[in-house]
Amino acid sequence: AQTVTQSQPEMSVQEAETVTLSCTYDTSESDYYLFWYKQPPSRQMILVIRQEAYKQQNATENRFSVNFQKAAKSFSLKISDSQLGDAAMYFCAWGGTRGGGADGLTFGKGTHLIIQP
Amino acid sequence: DVKVTQSSRYLVKRTGEKVFLECVQDMDHENMFWYRQDPGLGLRLIYFSYDVKMKEKGDIPEGYSVSREKKERFSLILESASTNQTSMYLCASSFTLGLSEAFFGQGTRLTVV
Repeated sequence: AQTVTQSQPEMSVQEAETVTLSCTYDTSESDYYLFWYKQPPSRQMILVIRQEAYKQQNATENRFSVNFQKAAKSFSLKISDSQLGDAAMYFCAWGGTRGGGADGLTFGKGTHLIIQP
Repeated sequence: DVKVTQSSRYLVKRTGEKVFLECVQDMDHENMFWYRQDPGLGLRLIYFSYDVKMKEKGDIPEGYSVSREKKERFSLILESASTNQTSMYLCASSFTLGLSEAFFGQGTRLTVV
């Protein structure tokens, strides 16, 4: 079974600084996607960034970038120039086929990111 | 703009009641999902559907059932609500199972008393 591990239940960073959220996963699949979702207090899950496993280049979306290490099964999220609006729960997720079939995403337990003004 | 709408943001039900949580998507997605979110446990998949009238169990299906009579609508049913089903329920839809992003509704916070 696929597992996703986020080892940091909570992180705190000063506004304008850079923070990195960790995620590791376990899978025997070769074709899969990895995602970072953000859940602010409004509860609406928002996709932050997506990485296709077959792509070696790390995905980037404005201030958000990932460090994807396929061999190490690691997928960390870096947030540069942190802003107050970045405060949220962040979930790492794995998506792919399981045992020949395909179903929903597998999520980590989340990291609560606090931005200090 | 992509939209997944859940019928209620907050719901309070009594133990033993039959509870329906409704979800509608307007993106013509084939796949729809129900997740349960609990503090410290992340999101766990209850059921998913990859076509009308088709359903598959997720990781925690016990105590739940689902219905998908129309492509845009996916309902989660608690046949006899129990206090351990007090939780946040999130509906999602996607174009391709697993290999594409999921779009989420705003969540239903269900309290069973």
